Amino acid sequence: AQSVAQPEDQVNVAEGNPLTVKCTYSVSGNPYLFWYVQYPNRGLQFLLKYITGDNLVKGSYGFEAEFNKSQTSFHLKKPSALVSDSALYFCAVPRTTDSWGKLQFGAGTQVVVTP
Amino acid sequence: EAGVVQSPRYKIIEKKQPVAFWCNPISGHNTLYWYRQNLGQGPELLIRYENEEAVDDSQLPKDRFSAERLKGVDSTLKIQPAELGDSAVYLCASSSTGTSGGAGEQFFGPGTRLTVL
Repeated sequence: AQSVAQPEDQVNVAEGNPLTVKCTYSVSGNPYLFWYVQYPNRGLQFLLKYITGDNLVKGSYGFEAEFNKSQTSFHLKKPSALVSDSALYFCAVPRTTDSWGKLQFGAGTQVVVTP
Repeated sequence: EAGVVQSPRYKIIEKKQPVAFWCNPISGHNTLYWYRQNLGQGPELLIRYENEEAVDDSQLPKDRFSAERLKGVDSTLKIQPAELGDSAVYLCASSSTGTSGGAGEQFFGPGTRLTVL
């Protein structure tokens, strides 16, 4: 089965500084990778996805992610973090290659942006 | 466009009692998902519907959990009887693509937070 790992439980960053949330993946074949964000007491919101093409994927709210095949990573980035970016971030991959809808989520990384 | 609607938002019950959650997906979305999210963890898929057909329920504890999606629109997830370990947030999501090669994103509802005492 395919899987993702988020090595950091929490990331702390000051407002205005760059933000990086790490994700590594284990898949067979070409990976489809997703990032979702969860704000308090709300459902997950889609940020971006990598299917194929450019290694740098741009998404919602100024976020982008860099696909790195040699390092099997798909790190989420934002050049200048906002306090409102404080949330729980999940990396995800389809659990099997024949079922895009069965997403396997990472454990999540809590992002705390301080003023 | 209205998002995925779930009710209730919160539910507190005693163990061994039944409970049901309701989900109305985004209009036109043929695929519906139920997830369970335990505290501090990522969501885990319980069941996935393509229209009214359950195409993946391998993670659903069938001894106590059941789900239905009559007419391929709204869906209900039921637990009977509930156990202490069922305390979690139950998320519903929908998408406009299923197993086809579109890898479409899923749209999530706000969830139902279940507490079993």
